[in-house]
Amino acid sequence: GDSVTQMEGPVTLSEEAFLTINCTYTATGYPSLFWYVQYPGEGLQLLLKATKADDKGSNKGFEATYRKETTSFHLEKGSVQVSDSAVYFCALNTNAGKSTFGDGTTLTVKP
Amino acid sequence: ETGVTQTPRHLVMGMTNKKSLKCEQHLGHNAMYWYKQSAKKPLELMFVYSLEERVENNSVPSRFSPECPNSSHLFLHLHTLQPEDSALYLCASSQDTASGGRPYNEQFFGPGTRLTVL
Repeated sequence: GDSVTQMEGPVTLSEEAFLTINCTYTATGYPSLFWYVQYPGEGLQLLLKATKADDKGSNKGFEATYRKETTSFHLEKGSVQVSDSAVYFCALNTNAGKSTFGDGTTLTVKP
Repeated sequence: ETGVTQTPRHLVMGMTNKKSLKCEQHLGHNAMYWYKQSAKKPLELMFVYSLEERVENNSVPSRFSPECPNSSHLFLHLHTLQPEDSALYLCASSQDTASGGRPYNEQFFGPGTRLTVL
């Protein structure tokens, strides 16, 4: 079946540090890939997405590239801020419309 | 503001109570979802409705009863809950692939209802 494996947390960084959260997937066909973010006390919201191989999704300084050859969609940001502290979820949608989420990675950014 | 609202935001109930959670989406989507999010556990998909029909029920206990009266509204009726049912219950909506949506259509989540069962 489909699955998403993302880097275990928690991840703690200092402000302005470089962030990478790894995500790999297993799916049939050609899924679409997503990163969602959940801030404290809120629901999940879409951060970025990519719908085909080699697409790069970007938003708010975050980027992720759809790598079909390595079945990966790693999230990166060059300089994190305290306000980026949240839980990050990697997810995929298959052509059958089924969504699969990773377990989530908690990021804490310290001043 | 994602276009998906949930009420109430917080709910405390005893094990013998009956209550309902409400979700409303203002996005014109045709699929709606209930998720359970517990501390230190993965996000659990509970129910999926597409075009107001239940298309997925992931082995959820019968003390949780969903209802989808139209494409904009989704309810989760609760009765005889257990303390381990305490969690954040999230509603989401999307444009269903089978009905002309695309697989790249993301889900839009509400803020959740924080449920505590005493």
